[in-house]
Amino acid sequence: KQEVTQIPAALSVPEGENLVLNCSFTDSAIYNLQWFRQDPGKGLTSLLLIQSSQREQTSGRLNASLDKSSGRSTLYIAASQPGDSATYLCAVGFSGGYNKLIFGAGTRLAVHP
Amino acid sequence: DAGITQSPRYKITETGRQVTLMCHQTWSHSYMFWYRQDLGHGLRLIYYSAAADITDKGEVPDGYVVSRSKTENFPLTLESATRSQTSVYFCASSGAGTVSFEQYFGPGTRLTVT
Repeated sequence: KQEVTQIPAALSVPEGENLVLNCSFTDSAIYNLQWFRQDPGKGLTSLLLIQSSQREQTSGRLNASLDKSSGRSTLYIAASQPGDSATYLCAVGFSGGYNKLIFGAGTRLAVHP
Repeated sequence: DAGITQSPRYKITETGRQVTLMCHQTWSHSYMFWYRQDLGHGLRLIYYSAAADITDKGEVPDGYVVSRSKTENFPLTLESATRSQTSVYFCASSGAGTVSFEQYFGPGTRLTVT
């Protein structure tokens, strides 16, 4: 069964810290991987998408990496701010899956001043 | 407005009633999806559609019906609502014009079945 796991489940850090969120998946035959942000009671906002042929993607203070052979992706957030507080979701599109995404349970991030 | 919209945003219904959740996108994306989000289960795929008149089951399809007569609309119907279908429902779309089929999500519908 294709599964996506995110560690840690929750994280609390002081403002300014650099942090890493982890995502692992069970099948290396993936099409793409997306990182989303979800604020409480809100929808999902796409942060970064990594195609299977790519190793990383960057957007502002965010950098996502992909290592298919080990079944891992990381989301690096530089110089964290209180506004970064949210739940971060990793979702994997497995090959042959008609673009369906399988989601991890998320990492709940709190950045305190 | 451009984008993906869902209606209603909030719905309370009684057990046994039929409920339809609407999803509309203006990008002409070929793929559309319905997910539900529950504490302890995360986001799970209910149904998806690769094009108009082409739909297929996801991970948790029981109790739900979908149709897609037009590319831009993908309604989700609960034929006889049960309390276990209390959840937040998200619609998403992707397809031509996106980067490697990046999925875009609607704002969600919070459904309560009493």
